[in-house]
Amino acid sequence: NAGVTQTPKFQVLKTGQSMTLQCAQDMNHEYMSWYRQDPGMGLRLIHYSVGAGITDQGEVPNGYNVSRSTTEDFPLRLLSAAPSQTSVYFCASSYSEGTINGYTFGSGTRLTVV
Amino acid sequence: GENVEQHPSTLSVQEGDSAVIKCTYSDSASNYFPWYKQELGKRPQLIIDIRSNVGEKKDQRIAVTLNKTAKHFSLHITETQPEDSAVYFCAASIGNDMRFGAGTRLTVKP
Repeated sequence: NAGVTQTPKFQVLKTGQSMTLQCAQDMNHEYMSWYRQDPGMGLRLIHYSVGAGITDQGEVPNGYNVSRSTTEDFPLRLLSAAPSQTSVYFCASSYSEGTINGYTFGSGTRLTVV
Repeated sequence: GENVEQHPSTLSVQEGDSAVIKCTYSDSASNYFPWYKQELGKRPQLIIDIRSNVGEKKDQRIAVTLNKTAKHFSLHITETQPEDSAVYFCAASIGNDMRFGAGTRLTVKP
């Protein structure tokens, strides 16, 4: 049982490049989400999914796309990277029965956009 | 959407003392309030949580209290130890939308 696995751990992008941050969980969790963590701002919700085929926007969705084709995977796509997207990104998952429970977080992806 | 404020942003205590971190939330519909601990360079980890139908919950040296009327909740750590040093985040959730506070950096001095 690996929990929540994020790849890559580190990434440097040039402005305008695109990339996909991968997130996979093997706990059969229905709920998955993406957060970004910036100094002094805590964790801000980007997008979330309550199950395969269902996604919704969070607090800071602009510049990011997601899809949920399987229960296990929830990739985050940066369409055209900007320096403002330099951050640490965490994927989280939770078993949910209509109400959210405690999250299991991945180990994070540190992204730098130059 | 929900707005969560957390205080203080930094807290320094002597080993063995108690530490209290407070959070307020804006939406009275919030019904789930977890607390996470994040050590330097690591992922946040759930340490305790409380639901809106409970006023207090305790797990060994940590406890959380919830005041729904005032819309605030607090984390209490007793008999602090150096390994309690970390950043602590509170959060409030309405259904599937969970919002976090900005974090409190706790330092426990030996």
